[in-house]
Amino acid sequence: ETGVTQTPRHLVMGMTNKKSLKCEQHLGHNAMYWYKQSAKKPLELMFVYSLEERVENNSVPSRFSPECPNSSHLFLHLHTLQPEDSALYLCASSQDRAGNYGYTFGSGTRLTVV
Amino acid sequence: AQSVTQLDSQVPVFEEAPVELRCNYSSSVSVYLFWYVQYPNQGLQLLLKYLSGSTLVKGINGFEAEFNKSQTSFHLRKPSVHISDTAEYFCAVKAQNAGNMLTFGGGTRLMVKP
Repeated sequence: ETGVTQTPRHLVMGMTNKKSLKCEQHLGHNAMYWYKQSAKKPLELMFVYSLEERVENNSVPSRFSPECPNSSHLFLHLHTLQPEDSALYLCASSQDRAGNYGYTFGSGTRLTVV
Repeated sequence: AQSVTQLDSQVPVFEEAPVELRCNYSSSVSVYLFWYVQYPNQGLQLLLKYLSGSTLVKGINGFEAEFNKSQTSFHLRKPSVHISDTAEYFCAVKAQNAGNMLTFGGGTRLMVKP
């Protein structure tokens, strides 16, 4: 148990579906992140929340919509996705707002868009 | 902006042999450096980090890395690998006291053979 829990672990959705990914951290950390990990590509930062305020939005398409209702929870709402959005979506948290001491990652959600 | 290059996409090695995974970075400012490991179907786990001080950093599972500022490198080493070390290893860099962004390399797959 890493202290960062992601649900579901696997998700298959059609291009017209709406679904949400959930991330929860029990570490008392102050910042949370969404990363996308695709085959044969480096990890891509999607969103950063620091103390529930979005501080980074890395040119992510609007079909991905993050939500951070409190410092322990982070969601990624998905709608009208494309097959190329199939990937492992990783949530992470960091103790300090700048992430200077490294991140703690969850186990990820394996998303398949059909 | 920072960038990270992991020169080897795959490193095959026999059990109990030494291994070095190479990482070079580029940055116009001082950086913090990290190595993460990803086992199959899991998230990333922090192996070690360099923030300041001694350039030789020891991490978990017998791994160590050496920060070389003149060569802008942060190579990961282990004197004797085990089958259980088979995984994907990621080098990452973050600018000191600037933003939240952790930039990852493309990863190196370590394959330990019996």
